[in-house]
Amino acid sequence: RKEVEQDPGPFNVPEGATVAFNCTYSNSASQSFFWYRQDCRKEPKLLMSVYSSGNEDGRFTAQLNRASQYISLLIRDSKLSDSATYLCVVRSPGGGADGLTFGKGTHLIIQP
Amino acid sequence: NAGVTQTPKFQVLKTGQSMTLQCAQDMNHEYMSWYRQDPGMGLRLIHYSVGAGITDQGEVPNGYNVSRSTTEDFPLRLLSAAPSQTSVYFCASRLKGWNEAFFGQGTRLTVV
Repeated sequence: RKEVEQDPGPFNVPEGATVAFNCTYSNSASQSFFWYRQDCRKEPKLLMSVYSSGNEDGRFTAQLNRASQYISLLIRDSKLSDSATYLCVVRSPGGGADGLTFGKGTHLIIQP
Repeated sequence: NAGVTQTPKFQVLKTGQSMTLQCAQDMNHEYMSWYRQDPGMGLRLIHYSVGAGITDQGEVPNGYNVSRSTTEDFPLRLLSAAPSQTSVYFCASRLKGWNEAFFGQGTRLTVV
């Protein structure tokens, strides 16, 4: 099983719709969780951290389910500008420079 | 507000040539990392550094060297370029402990 798995998509969603996608992780000792956004041919940028109690930032809601080892991202009232690839990032002890493992990303296309 | 600066943005090399990808950050971040991103593979860690004078290997270090003589700079050297090193390279930096990772704009490298 891969450490961090995401459905690559693409998710084709009409403007104004709600879309959600998940990310599963294999290391139960994982400590921190994040969603990054990457626009085409650009660098990844932090979208939001994911807290145990769940958190919201405007139209974006992130949830963590430790028992089932997944995190989710919900986007409400989607905009054309939300089209991007969304990377799930997990911090775990013993992995990488500071334990960061990146998912391969979910490609989202918002259609007018 | 320079953040993380990578040069060059684009590069074409012939097989066997060597070159250095430059990365500089002005945020006094302790941690710096180099990733490569290939279609379908996600971000993979090449080398990283937790401070000046300290470097270590990531997931895919073969064919690359790094050094960290100052806090600001973390160059990546390709010793003898191979077509398999055709990729997009990202440099990232962050403060010690989990804080947001900031990425450079990327270097698109083609080896022919």
